[in-house]
Amino acid sequence: GAGVSQSPSNKVTEKGKDVELRCDPISGHTALYWYRQSLGQGLEFLIYFQGNSAPDKSGLPSDRFSAERTGGSVSTLTIQRTQQEDSAVYLCASRRSQGADTQYFGPGTRLTVL
Amino acid sequence: AQSVSQHNHHVILSEAASLELGCNYSYGGTVNLFWYVQYPGQHLQLLLKYFSGDPLVKGIKGFEAEFIKSKFSFNLRKPSVQWSDTAEYFCAVNERKSGYNKLIFGAGTRLAVHP
Repeated sequence: GAGVSQSPSNKVTEKGKDVELRCDPISGHTALYWYRQSLGQGLEFLIYFQGNSAPDKSGLPSDRFSAERTGGSVSTLTIQRTQQEDSAVYLCASRRSQGADTQYFGPGTRLTVL
Repeated sequence: AQSVSQHNHHVILSEAASLELGCNYSYGGTVNLFWYVQYPGQHLQLLLKYFSGDPLVKGIKGFEAEFIKSKFSFNLRKPSVQWSDTAEYFCAVNERKSGYNKLIFGAGTRLAVHP
C-alpha cells in the first residue's frame, strides 16, 4: 500500500511566521512520530502519538512547537514564530502498533526560515 | 539517557571494497536495533533490524549486522560495496523500558563509493 506522505515537501518562510506541516501515515498504523533532522546531525525525536492516548511531547524543543493528530490518522506539526534555528527537515514516521515494531518514514518536509 | 554513537562520519571506498560501519549504544537492557539508509534524494528506508534471536541479521542488498550485547554494538557490514550503495546510513535503537516508543538515532555515516 501507500507509504507515509508529507506535505509540503519544501517550505520557505520568514522568521516570526507560523508554519504547519502535514503527515499522512500508512493506513491502519496506530502510532505516529515526528522527528527533526538538522544539517549534519542525526534525527531528533519530537513527539509521539499512539491511538487515543495522550501524546508523548517530551522531545519538543520549545512551546513554539505543537502537534495534533485528528481522528487517529493525519497529523499536523505547527511551529509558531519560527526562528532560523528551526530550519531542518521534519520527518514523520508511522508504526503499525505500539511495542516492538518497525517505524516507516515519510519523505520529509524541508523547512527553511529566512 | 540512551545515546547512539556512529564512529565514522564520512567513509570513502572503491567499488568491491568491504564495508564495516560502527554503531554503539550507551547502555544495556532489552533493546531493538535498526539500520536505516537514506539514498540521495530519497527518504529513510529500513535496511535491517534486530529484535531477538540470531544476533547476525541479514538485510536487503547484501547488508548484514551483528549484535554484540557485551560490547553494546551493532556494526553494519557488506563484503563488497557497489557505487549504488552511496548513501547516508543511520543506526538507531529503542528500548523496552520506554515501550519501544522512541527511536534514538546516531548522527549518521555518509558513504561514498567510487567506481
